[in-house]
Amino acid sequence: AQTVTQSQPEMSVQEAETVTLSCTYDTSESDYYLFWYKQPPSRQMILVIRQEAYKQQNATENRFSVNFQKAAKSFSLKISDSQLGDAAMYFCASQRPDSNYQLIWGAGTKLIIKP
Amino acid sequence: DVKVTQSSRYLVKRTGEKVFLECVQDMDHENMFWYRQDPGLGLRLIYFSYDVKMKEKGDIPEGYSVSREKKERFSLILESASTNQTSMYLCASSREGLPIYGYTFGSGTRLTVV
Repeated sequence: AQTVTQSQPEMSVQEAETVTLSCTYDTSESDYYLFWYKQPPSRQMILVIRQEAYKQQNATENRFSVNFQKAAKSFSLKISDSQLGDAAMYFCASQRPDSNYQLIWGAGTKLIIKP
Repeated sequence: DVKVTQSSRYLVKRTGEKVFLECVQDMDHENMFWYRQDPGLGLRLIYFSYDVKMKEKGDIPEGYSVSREKKERFSLILESASTNQTSMYLCASSREGLPIYGYTFGSGTRLTVV
């Protein structure tokens, strides 16, 4: 079965510094979507960034960027200039094979921001 | 502001009760999903629906059923609640087709079965 692995249950970073959250996935597909979602204490999951696998260029959204290594099946999230509001659970997800709308989710990484 | 609304933020139910979790979206999305979120396990799909009255089982459907009589509403039903169904339940919706836009989530219902 396809899996998504987030090996860091918890990470902490000093405010204003940079942190990278790791994610690896397993798929036999050649084209697919990958996502990072954020779940703050309010509990509502928010889409942070997406990457389409056939695009070589790493996606970027303001302070959030990804390091997408297709051959290694790695999809890490880099948060630059960390802010207190970045404290949340972060979930990595990949598109399920043969599905246009189902995702497979990692277990999540809790990010703590130290003031 | 588009949204997915879950009717209850917290629920406490007794073992054996029939429990209804309601979810409404105002985005005219075709697809709706019910997930269960447990620490260390991420999100696990219970059921999803790609059209009115259509439903498909996800990875952990046992002990649950769903109903989608209208496009905007997707209900999760626990026929006879058990303590191992104590969890956070998340509803989500998405447009038809490739998940380029991702999902829109509700704020979750934390269910405790005692």
